Amino acid sequence: DAGITQSPRYKITETGRQVTLMCHQTWSHSYMFWYRQDLGHGLRLIYYSAAADITDKGEVPDGYVVSRSKTENFPLTLESATRSQTSVYFCASSEGASGRVYEQYFGPGTRLTVT
Amino acid sequence: KQEVTQIPAALSVPEGENLVLNCSFTDSAIYNLQWFRQDPGKGLTSLLLIQSSQREQTSGRLNASLDKSSGRSTLYIAASQPGDSATYLCAAYAGGTSYGKLTFGQGTILTVHP
Repeated sequence: DAGITQSPRYKITETGRQVTLMCHQTWSHSYMFWYRQDLGHGLRLIYYSAAADITDKGEVPDGYVVSRSKTENFPLTLESATRSQTSVYFCASSEGASGRVYEQYFGPGTRLTVT
Repeated sequence: KQEVTQIPAALSVPEGENLVLNCSFTDSAIYNLQWFRQDPGKGLTSLLLIQSSQREQTSGRLNASLDKSSGRSTLYIAASQPGDSATYLCAAYAGGTSYGKLTFGQGTILTVHP
């Protein structure tokens, strides 16, 4: 299916475990983003990527690692999960070109619970 | 640092009313502004995107305006329906070295009762 997908949709993990959230888009968008949504904080940017092998930190990057070896995939890894990382995670993608800002399209989200 | 504020935090109206949701941002050097809808436990659905060169966008019963000089955007919903009940989020796009980064408001929770 065309679009942006996230997996898993729901995940429960224990404190200290490593967990990877997957994001895949079929539009060949150059930009991809990871956000987390928490009550009282709204949506906040964790990491973003302007192209394959180019990533940069957002507002709340601590405790997260990203990679982007292929344009269509942008996995987010929690190396040692903590309860404070319990959240809903959204992936987004957009086209990119010098001098223009393009609309972001969001995936359905992954609800992560760290016990 | 860009800050986006949405007022009111919650709004309850009877069906059929016209209503306005407000969004303000501190840095007027934004590129675009986007309004989203989020249903409980669901993802974000894009409603309207206003590019920096535009002043408003319309889609059906929705009309969004953008005034960069005053740092404000409004979402107008005409003839509200119970199906419009959701959380509405506005988000400002940055440019320059912060290219494409979105800063979200906290949202307005809208309830339209029959």
